[in-house]
Amino acid sequence: NAGVTQTPKFRILKIGQSMTLQCTQDMNHNYMYWYRQDPGMGLKLIYYSVGAGITDKGEVPNGYNVSRSTTEDFPLRLELAAPSQTSVYFCASSYSGIRVEMGAFFGQGTRLTVV
Amino acid sequence: AQKVTQAQTEISVVEKEDVTLDCVYETRDTTYYLFWYKQPPSGELVFLIRRNSFDEQNEISGRYSWNFQKSTSSFNFTITASQVVDSAVYFCALSETKARGGADGLTFGKGTHLIIQP
Repeated sequence: NAGVTQTPKFRILKIGQSMTLQCTQDMNHNYMYWYRQDPGMGLKLIYYSVGAGITDKGEVPNGYNVSRSTTEDFPLRLELAAPSQTSVYFCASSYSGIRVEMGAFFGQGTRLTVV
Repeated sequence: AQKVTQAQTEISVVEKEDVTLDCVYETRDTTYYLFWYKQPPSGELVFLIRRNSFDEQNEISGRYSWNFQKSTSSFNFTITASQVVDSAVYFCALSETKARGGADGLTFGKGTHLIIQP
């Protein structure tokens, strides 16, 4: 039972480069999320999705894009990397409806450095 | 808008002492969920507990206990007889329900770094 899997675990990007952070879950969760965690801070929501084909902005969406073509996958794309996007990125998924109270399941995180 | 405040940035105690981590939240919703997560030095996020807004019963799980008080909008976490392995950053988080029947993500506090000294 893999849970939520993120790739890559580490990445160094140059300013202006683009990349996609991959996230997949095998729990058949409808809800998926992307968070970023800056040093000494809590996680902040970038984007979320309540199901395939539906995405919504979170608290800090600027500079990112997402898509949700399948229930399992929720990739996060950085089009023009900037130093301010240096952070640890977490993908998460959760049940929907009344089962949302079971909490979110998090991936291991991707440490991204933009230089 | 919702907000979670963890006023304690860092706490250091000696092993076997009891320690309480504070969490105060703000929300306009009457239905919401509160969570605690642990982030050990390895970096992953470990789910500890969730509590819904209609259930104010305190909960105990081994050395961990949680005190939820709606009157003060607090959801505090106590570790009894702390151990070195409890050293981690602990996050309190809030989730509000939406019309679609689910949550639109968690609002996290900034975390409390707990250091347990041997």
